[in-house]
Amino acid sequence: DGGITQSPKYLFRKEGQNVTLSCEQNLNHDAMYWYRQDPGQGLRLIYYSQIVNDFQKGDIAEGYSVSREKKESFPLTVTSAQKNPTAFYLCASTENRDSQETQYFGPGTRLLVL
Amino acid sequence: EDQVTQSPEALRLQEGESSSLNCSYTVSGLRGLFWYRQDPGKGPEFLFTLYSAGEEKEKERLKATLTKKESFLHITAPKPEDSATYLCAVLNSGYALNFGKGTSLLVTP
Repeated sequence: DGGITQSPKYLFRKEGQNVTLSCEQNLNHDAMYWYRQDPGQGLRLIYYSQIVNDFQKGDIAEGYSVSREKKESFPLTVTSAQKNPTAFYLCASTENRDSQETQYFGPGTRLLVL
Repeated sequence: EDQVTQSPEALRLQEGESSSLNCSYTVSGLRGLFWYRQDPGKGPEFLFTLYSAGEEKEKERLKATLTKKESFLHITAPKPEDSATYLCAVLNSGYALNFGKGTSLLVTP
């Protein structure tokens, strides 16, 4: 089955700790994205990558870092500099056919601070 | 600055009671308007993409329409399993979607 997987489903972070959220897709999509979702707010873009070895900051990149070494993988690290990391994190990828772009989402990772 | 506003924030319907959700937007160079359904604790599920004013798309009890300023998601004779949060998003000249805050729909038997 083709799709986007995120792991873990739940992640607990201790103060001062860096944690990494995994996102993998087997859809052969070029572009991948990380969003953050907080209660009562829309999804906000953290980082995106249009191609391997290249990525750009989104609206709320401070305290986060990413890498894109493989087309299938786009991990997100939440660093200790992110002071309010508790949120639901969503990874997405874009299928681009004939200028019609459809963005598909993974199941999400919920990050909680201990 | 691009803006996406969804209304109402929450909607409660009885089973079979049709209604519409609204998504109004201001964006320079709309490349697409997207509707998603999101169940609690899960990722958004893609429903529709609309590209130009006058366009309509349907899927089961859902029908999405688009004008130059807003989109409507019409729900005909809803069932309890249609209960979810419905998200609207726009794509402009950039690469990522700009989301509204969503409409939480509850359909009671």
